[in-house]
Amino acid sequence: KNEVEQSPQNLTAQEGEFITINCSYSVGISALHWLQQHPGGGIVSLFMLSSGKKKHGRLIATINIQEKHSSLHITASHPRDSAVYICAVRNYGGSQGNLIFGKGTKLSVKP
Amino acid sequence: DVKVTQSSRYLVKRTGEKVFLECVQDMDHENMFWYRQDPGLGLRLIYFSYDVKMKEKGDIPEGYSVSREKKERFSLILESASTNQTSMYLCASSFLAAQNTEAFFGQGTRLTVV
Repeated sequence: KNEVEQSPQNLTAQEGEFITINCSYSVGISALHWLQQHPGGGIVSLFMLSSGKKKHGRLIATINIQEKHSSLHITASHPRDSAVYICAVRNYGGSQGNLIFGKGTKLSVKP
Repeated sequence: DVKVTQSSRYLVKRTGEKVFLECVQDMDHENMFWYRQDPGLGLRLIYFSYDVKMKEKGDIPEGYSVSREKKERFSLILESASTNQTSMYLCASSFLAAQNTEAFFGQGTRLTVV
């Protein structure tokens, strides 16, 4: 079993829809990251969370430490949100500074 | 702006060639990482380094080596490229493991070995 599981693997939405991507993990963590990867490859960090909730524009990330679960929400989705969204955790006791990655959720937003 | 720069976006190399992938960061980060990304497998750690001349094996080091002679530069070396090393390679850097240190990624190098 993977230490970081994301769902769904693929998601197609219509422009304007509210989108939720889920991440569950099985290890003790010090922080959880949400990353965005556009076609072409570069990865951008969206959020880093250790508790509660963060908001940036139309993006909201939440984490429940007790349930070992995080969600990334996109409100009023737009075709430019189409990308792969990756959840990654930094675990206690792991290699210095290393992240454990989920396999990503490929989001496609249709106009 | 923090920058992690990889030397090439696309590379095509022949089987058996020695391949160098270069990564440079400008934020004085101690940690640097090399990952490969394959469909259905996500990002997997090849090697990382937490200081000059220091290196640690990641999950899939076989067929690779690394070099870190200067703090800002971390090189990934494919000693004898093989077709199963065709992949997307991503470099990242971060400050030494404080609890909430953010990682910054390069743009990736898509390597094709023919």
